[in-house]
Amino acid sequence: EAGVAQSPRYKIIEKRQSVAFWCNPISGHATLYWYQQILGQGPKLLIQFQNNGVVDDSQLPKDRFSAERLKGVDSTLKIQPAKLEDSAVYLCASSPSRYEQYFGPGTRLTVT
Amino acid sequence: DAKTTQPNSMESNEEEPVHLPCNHSTISGTDYIHWYRQLPSQGPEYVIHGLTSNVNNRMASLAIAEDRKSSTLILHRATLRDAAVYYCIPVEGGSEKLVFGKGMKLTVNP
Repeated sequence: EAGVAQSPRYKIIEKRQSVAFWCNPISGHATLYWYQQILGQGPKLLIQFQNNGVVDDSQLPKDRFSAERLKGVDSTLKIQPAKLEDSAVYLCASSPSRYEQYFGPGTRLTVT
Repeated sequence: DAKTTQPNSMESNEEEPVHLPCNHSTISGTDYIHWYRQLPSQGPEYVIHGLTSNVNNRMASLAIAEDRKSSTLILHRATLRDAAVYYCIPVEGGSEKLVFGKGMKLTVNP
């Protein structure tokens, strides 16, 4: 079974630029999550989708971050404009049930 | 969200059992206890979860205290591949939300 796919794996941008991350969840998983993991900390949930609807985006900085999940499958997370403190690993996860989440390898973003 | 306390780090030797403790004294009666681990440069990986009874799967065993204020993840024979950061996460019953703490780094010595 193919896992959660993410791209790109690494991205370096300058502050105030825009960036987008892509996630393809495991086939059949209705729930999709985006997390932000700052170095030395555990992942923090940014947004949760159930099919193509948003379930929880309470910790998403909506002035600069946006996410969408078209057709209930792939998802993109965008940052516009990026700040230095956005440097982190962005993880995508999907779930077939509320008991297990399957994580992708993440995208490491460096903002200079 | 229930708070958890884990040691910052632990060391073990290869092929020996490892007991990873977690205190969650503010856990509610319907919170499940989930464990995830994160190997270097990878996303977190689900390990096991339980509510009240002890649980076993191919990766590990989870021993939950009778008062549910603590739990222990047991790796029966540690391998080098088990070196990772381990997260103990109480999850509200009916919720899917994982709130990760800093976790505990396990080092496995050859």
